[in-house]
Amino acid sequence: EAGVAQSPRYKIIEKRQSVAFWCNPISGHATLYWYQQILGQGPKLLIQFQNNGVVDDSQLPKDRFSAERLKGVDSTLKIQPAKLEDSAVYLCASSLDLGGGYYGYTFGSGTRLTVV
Amino acid sequence: SQKIEQNSEALNIQEGKTATLTCNYTNYSPAYLQWYRQDPGRGPVFLLLIRENEKEKRKERLKVTFDTTLKQSLFHITASQPADSATYLCALSNTGNQFYFGTGTSLTVIP
Repeated sequence: EAGVAQSPRYKIIEKRQSVAFWCNPISGHATLYWYQQILGQGPKLLIQFQNNGVVDDSQLPKDRFSAERLKGVDSTLKIQPAKLEDSAVYLCASSLDLGGGYYGYTFGSGTRLTVV
Repeated sequence: SQKIEQNSEALNIQEGKTATLTCNYTNYSPAYLQWYRQDPGRGPVFLLLIRENEKEKRKERLKVTFDTTLKQSLFHITASQPADSATYLCALSNTGNQFYFGTGTSLTVIP
């Protein structure tokens, strides 16, 4: 089966600019996650979707980050305006079950964002 | 808030030996614990899941233990190979609906 697709792979922007990331999960996976992984750290959950509804966005900095999942399939994550501390890898993951508790998460390769 | 700790120092072992990685947690009572492998420039790959009522789980050369008294999971790779070199992440959940990740341990298997 095809994996989780993410684009772009790399992005360099100046602070205060905006950026958007795209994710296409595995077909049939209802749950989709966006994680932020700063260099040397583990992934940190930003937002979790079940179909096109938000399950948890408590750790999403809503003053600058937004995410949507139209039609319960593809998802986009946007940052506007970007700060230097947003430099990280943004990982998208999907799971067959609600929270990945049985089958685990399938991650994409991520988008490496550098804010200069 | 929950705290998840993995060996912060990189682990180097000789090929053929058993690698043992540790995941400790505090302020948390997870019912589910997962282990992932992450290669440079790639997303984590799911390896194993163990539940709180399971003491041990095996998959090929991998073995995971889950000790809720010690608040610790051990991840073993037997007969290690250079291809096993990667960063290994543990992830915990108390509901199975959302997992929190540790910082990972870098493993290098020396030929």
